[in-house]
Amino acid sequence: DQQVKQNSPSLSVQEGRISILNCDYTNSMFDYFLWYKKYPAEGPTFLISISSIKDKNEDGRFTVFLNKSAKHLSLHIVPSQPGDSAVYFCAASGVPSGSRLTFGEGTQLTVNP
Amino acid sequence: GAVVSQHPSWVICKSGTSVKIECRSLDFQATTMFWYRQFPKQSLMLMATSNEGSKATYEQGVEKDKFLINHASLTLSTLTVTSAHPEDSSFYICSARPPGGVFQPQHFGDGTRLSIL
Repeated sequence: DQQVKQNSPSLSVQEGRISILNCDYTNSMFDYFLWYKKYPAEGPTFLISISSIKDKNEDGRFTVFLNKSAKHLSLHIVPSQPGDSAVYFCAASGVPSGSRLTFGEGTQLTVNP
Repeated sequence: GAVVSQHPSWVICKSGTSVKIECRSLDFQATTMFWYRQFPKQSLMLMATSNEGSKATYEQGVEKDKFLINHASLTLSTLTVTSAHPEDSSFYICSARPPGGVFQPQHFGDGTRLSIL
């Protein structure tokens, strides 16, 4: 049972444009959502998070949007840079699971110069 | 920021060998650390939650006698893969969450690539 899903395995974007990465979840008890960036052979790096009491959180070029009714979140990167090329994972946690994170499958973002 | 160090980064050993991986929180104390496993082109799968001073909590399907976890201090957790076999070859990653409540993000080590011949 995949509770967190990233339906796009890959995304290609031109430098300077917006990158939009999407994530859907099924467990309505999730109340904290995170995005991580991962390079090959390295651990994930925390990017940005949002709690369920908000619908938007912004940090520099990164903005996360949460639509609780649709059980959907998205990460916007503006403007995209070649250094943003990596695998992006969304993750979720909730009351029943405590601080345990459930990860999506990841989306490979490629930003072309 | 919160830093988690994982060692070694890469291990190659013969089948039947036991391998120990260390995970340290360098600038904060972590009562809870997490161990994940990642297969190529797949997501991170939680193996177990490591609790300081008590037994680890294993996810369903993870053999506790195969993957021994010790969390003896607030800054160190170890994962020992006992009698490793080729099917145990994988990328193992640990994480820890700084104090400050449930809305603190987990921070990850750089992972350990384990290859069993």
